Amino acid sequence: DAKTTQPPSMDCAEGRAANLPCNHSTISGNEYVYWYRQIHSQGPQYIIHGLKNNETNEMASLIITEDRKSSTLILPHATLRDTAVYYCIRREDLNSGNTPLVFGKGTRLSVIA
Amino acid sequence: DADVTQTPRNRITKTGKRIMLECSQTKGHDRMYWYRQDPGLGLRLIYYSFDVKDINKGEISDGYSVSRQAQAKFSLSLESAIPNQTALYFCATSDLGQAEYNEQFFGPGTRLTVL
Repeated sequence: DAKTTQPPSMDCAEGRAANLPCNHSTISGNEYVYWYRQIHSQGPQYIIHGLKNNETNEMASLIITEDRKSSTLILPHATLRDTAVYYCIRREDLNSGNTPLVFGKGTRLSVIA
Repeated sequence: DADVTQTPRNRITKTGKRIMLECSQTKGHDRMYWYRQDPGLGLRLIYYSFDVKDINKGEISDGYSVSRQAQAKFSLSLESAIPNQTALYFCATSDLGQAEYNEQFFGPGTRLTVL
């Protein structure tokens, strides 16, 4: 049980921002939100993670609502190479459980030229 | 050179055959994982190991076994392959060190077909 809800698919125009939503309404206080993506049957690739605060790295930004019940992954300038399946994953803090990642079906993002 | 390697990359076998998929890593990570992926679905965890002496069942361990021969090697076996084990198999590793930042690094995958 992935315990997150994502739309099955989204389209985005090349060069525009891609905003991928994720609902995790039952998230607990010690669970992080992780985002991975999988490009065409390759191994998944880590993108970003967060707990409470918004996060940004060279790949993306993660916006987490104040109540932590949902989050949005933002790819600021999507390119064709960003076409992939994006997974939003809840993960318990290691100190309390050592839980591996649990993948859902993710969102298939298609970036269109 | 790739940090996480899987062999073979593709395998076709027959029902009832014993198959071993191998995973090696040069990242020095303690933790290793085996996942399978069926078409249109996310990855499902088969087994995981947090160190050489630790083996844990995942969501779908029935019909599979694993061996952690060394820190760098984690093998997945199908004792008697059946057609519904046809899937894409991924090995992954992660570092024990940082509690919060537990990025998993995935291998390129093994495509297994059981006829």
